[in-house]
Amino acid sequence: KQEVTQIPAALSVPEGENLVLNCSFTDSAIYNLQWFRQDPGKGLTSLLLIQSSQREQTSGRLNASLDKSSGRSTLYIAASQPGDSATYLCAVIYSGNTPLVFGKGTRLSVIA
Amino acid sequence: NAGVTQTPKFQVLKTGQSMTLQCAQDMNHNSMYWYRQDPGMGLRLIYYSASEGTTDKGEVPNGYNVSRLNKREFSLRLESAAPSQTSVYFCASDQLRYEQYFGPGTRLTVT
Repeated sequence: KQEVTQIPAALSVPEGENLVLNCSFTDSAIYNLQWFRQDPGKGLTSLLLIQSSQREQTSGRLNASLDKSSGRSTLYIAASQPGDSATYLCAVIYSGNTPLVFGKGTRLSVIA
Repeated sequence: NAGVTQTPKFQVLKTGQSMTLQCAQDMNHNSMYWYRQDPGMGLRLIYYSASEGTTDKGEVPNGYNVSRLNKREFSLRLESAAPSQTSVYFCASDQLRYEQYFGPGTRLTVT
């Protein structure tokens, strides 16, 4: 079964710290990988999308990497702020005619 | 450009009642999706429509029906609501399996 796993389920860090969120997937034959942010009671907001031919994407303080051979992606957040507190979800489109497969997310708390 | 919109935002139903959740997108996307999100279960796909005129079951389709009314609109119907269908429902859309965009969600409670 094609799955996406995010560990840890929750993470708490002090403000200003650089941090890495992890995402692993079971099949290296992926089409693309997308990172989302979800604030409590809200919908999902797309942060970054990495196509299978790419190794990384950057947006502001966020950098997402993709290593298909090891089945891993990481989301790096530089100089974390309390406003970064949210749940971060990783989702994979596997090759073939399959919809997006989501991980269960990592709930991040940045403490001032 | 409103993106993906959903109505209603909140709904309370009694067991056995029916209702339709509405979703519309203005990004000219071909594909649309319905998910439910429950604590500890993550996001689960209910139904999707890869293109206008087609619909397919996702992971948890039982108790739901969908209609792709046109390219913009994709509705989700609960024919006889059950307490197990209490959840937050999200609609999403994308173009050719590229970046997916989500609506704000509908919070449904079935008593």
